[in-house]
Amino acid sequence: DQQVKQNSPSLSVQEGRISILNCDYTNSMFDYFLWYKKYPAEGPTFLISISSIKDKNEDGRFTVFLNKSAKHLSLHIVPSQPGDSAVYFCAASAKGQAGTALIFGKGTTLSVSS
Amino acid sequence: NAGVTQTPKFRVLKTGQSMTLLCAQDMNHEYMYWYRQDPGMGLRLIHYSVGEGTTAKGEVPDGYNVSRLKKQNFLLGLESAAPSQTSVYFCASRGTAGSEWYFGPGTRLTVT
Repeated sequence: DQQVKQNSPSLSVQEGRISILNCDYTNSMFDYFLWYKKYPAEGPTFLISISSIKDKNEDGRFTVFLNKSAKHLSLHIVPSQPGDSAVYFCAASAKGQAGTALIFGKGTTLSVSS
Repeated sequence: NAGVTQTPKFRVLKTGQSMTLLCAQDMNHEYMYWYRQDPGMGLRLIHYSVGEGTTAKGEVPDGYNVSRLKKQNFLLGLESAAPSQTSVYFCASRGTAGSEWYFGPGTRLTVT
């Protein structure tokens, strides 16, 4: 059973508007959440993270919101730019688990049109 | 500081052939991981290592073996390649104190 779910395989947004990417998780032991951006033929690159003790983390145009009671997090990109077009992966980890491996969602492909 | 590097970048194998993928990191990280990425599947953990000389199974370990003889290197082996192992393989590392992960550029493997 998937522990990290990204239910929207794709999202299309116009340049300058807000992009909202969603992620749900099932494992209540997860205490650290990350968003990665991936371009074709490259490895994932870290975008932003949030610890379970917070409900919001902001870095420039990127903001991640965490709703622990709903086991839901979202990534907001404002304003969206064509260069943001990529696959976005939500990932989670639990400190108590050996090696604390990241568990990834299936990804959402964001397309920003100019 | 090269970060995480992977060798080779591309490889085509025939069914039944064997090969080893090399991951190297120069950040003195304790933890290293091998993931595979398939279309529509995200990244799935194959094996990981919490230190030199240690390895453990991840979500999809069947058909793969790993070794961590040196702290900086994590090898992924395919003893008898199968078409189902056609994928893009990513290596990652992180330190014990930090929460930042570093990913390699990937190895694209095709098994015919």
